Amino acid sequence: QQKVQQSPESLIVPEGAMTSLNCTFSDSASQYFAWYRQHSGKAPKALMSIFSNGEKEEGRFTIHLNKASLHFSLHIRDSQPSDSALYLCAVSMRSGYNKLTFGKGTVLLVSP
Amino acid sequence: EAAVTQSPRNKVTVTGGNVTLSCRQTNSHNYMYWYRQDTGHGLRLIHYSYGAGNLQIGDVPDGYKATRTTQEDFFLLLELASPSQTSLYFCASSDANRWDSDYTFGSGTRLLVI
Repeated sequence: QQKVQQSPESLIVPEGAMTSLNCTFSDSASQYFAWYRQHSGKAPKALMSIFSNGEKEEGRFTIHLNKASLHFSLHIRDSQPSDSALYLCAVSMRSGYNKLTFGKGTVLLVSP
Repeated sequence: EAAVTQSPRNKVTVTGGNVTLSCRQTNSHNYMYWYRQDTGHGLRLIHYSYGAGNLQIGDVPDGYKATRTTQEDFFLLLELASPSQTSLYFCASSDANRWDSDYTFGSGTRLLVI
C-alpha cells in the first residue's frame, strides 16, 4: 500500500520568505503528484500537480519532482499571510481511476 | 459552476444512532469519494464509487456503508455510530476519463458522536 509522508509537520516563516515543503512516497510506479491547500474551516483545493521529473512553476509556486528519490516538493516564493494553511501532498498510480493517497499535511503559518 | 455540495454541515448524534451524510456533485464526474479527516491522520478514504449503483471499499471502511443512487448523489451511512467516528467528513469527485484528474472537494460535514 502506498505510503506518503510529509515534512515538516508545521512551519512558521516570516512574510516575504521562501517556504519549502516536502513529500516522500513509497511506490516507484507512482505517476501523478499533487499539492492541495486547505485553509482553516474550508475544503481542500488542488494547487498544483506534476507527472514527469523536473520542475513546474505557476506564479509564486514551484513543484519539483524527483522520482528516483521518491520525493517531490512545493516551494512558495515571497510567502504571504494568505498562504497560511494546511498543505497536503497527494500521489496516485496510473490506473483506471485516480485513487489519491494523501500525506498527513504540513501546517504553514506566515507571520506578517 | 461545477461544485460538490455536502449536507448537513454539522451533525450531533448519540452513540448507537443512525446517521446519513449526503453529497451531490454537478461536475459530471463519474468518480465520487468519501474521506474522513482527523488530526494526526490526514485524509483517509472510506468508500468510493465510479457510477450509480457501484461501490468500492476504501482504506478505513469499518462501521461505514455507502450508496451511490445516481451519477450526482453519494451517501455515507453510519448505522451504529460510535464516538470513534467523530470526525470531519469530506466528499470529493473526479473525472473518470482522466487518470490525473484533480479532486473537487465539498465543504465538509462535522460529525460529533456523544
